[in-house]
Amino acid sequence: EAGVAQSPRYKIIEKRQSVAFWCNPISGHATLYWYQQILGQGPKLLIQFQNNGVVDDSQLPKDRFSAERLKGVDSTLKIQPAKLEDSAVYLCASSSILRRGQGAAGYTFGSGTRLTVV
Amino acid sequence: KQEVTQIPAALSVPEGENLVLNCSFTDSAIYNLQWFRQDPGKGLTSLLLIQSSQREQTSGRLNASLDKSSGRSTLYIAASQPGDSATYLCAVNNAGNMLTFGGGTRLMVKP
Repeated sequence: EAGVAQSPRYKIIEKRQSVAFWCNPISGHATLYWYQQILGQGPKLLIQFQNNGVVDDSQLPKDRFSAERLKGVDSTLKIQPAKLEDSAVYLCASSSILRRGQGAAGYTFGSGTRLTVV
Repeated sequence: KQEVTQIPAALSVPEGENLVLNCSFTDSAIYNLQWFRQDPGKGLTSLLLIQSSQREQTSGRLNASLDKSSGRSTLYIAASQPGDSATYLCAVNNAGNMLTFGGGTRLMVKP
């Protein structure tokens, strides 16, 4: 099966500019996640979708970050305006459907988008 | 709030050694625990997934154990090879299916 697709692979922008990332999950995966990975650290969850609804966005800096998943398939993550500390790799992941009382099957991650803010 | 810690942060070993990577977590109410591998500039590759009811999982030269009550997991790599050089990440899955990651262990296997 095809993996999780992300684009672009790399992006360099100046601070205060805006940027958008795109993710196409594995076909049939209802749950989609965006993670931020700062250099030398583990990934941190930004937002989780189930179909086209938000399950958790408690760690998303909503003053500058936004995300949407129209039609429950593809998703976009936007940063506006960007700050220097937003430099990181943005990873998208998907998993099979959330079942109450059970953990999802293993996640599948995309290759990520490396953002550099200068 | 779940916190995940991985020790050591970095490890360098000669080829052929057996090694153990450690992961600890503060909240034992987990659904499962997953070990990932990350190569430079790449995404994460799932290595092993252990459900909360399981004690260990094996895949080739890799063996992962889980002691949920004590909040610990170990990843054992047998007969290490230079191709094993990468960052290894431990992640726990709590309610809501959100993964909480440790900071990773950067492994270098020298020929």
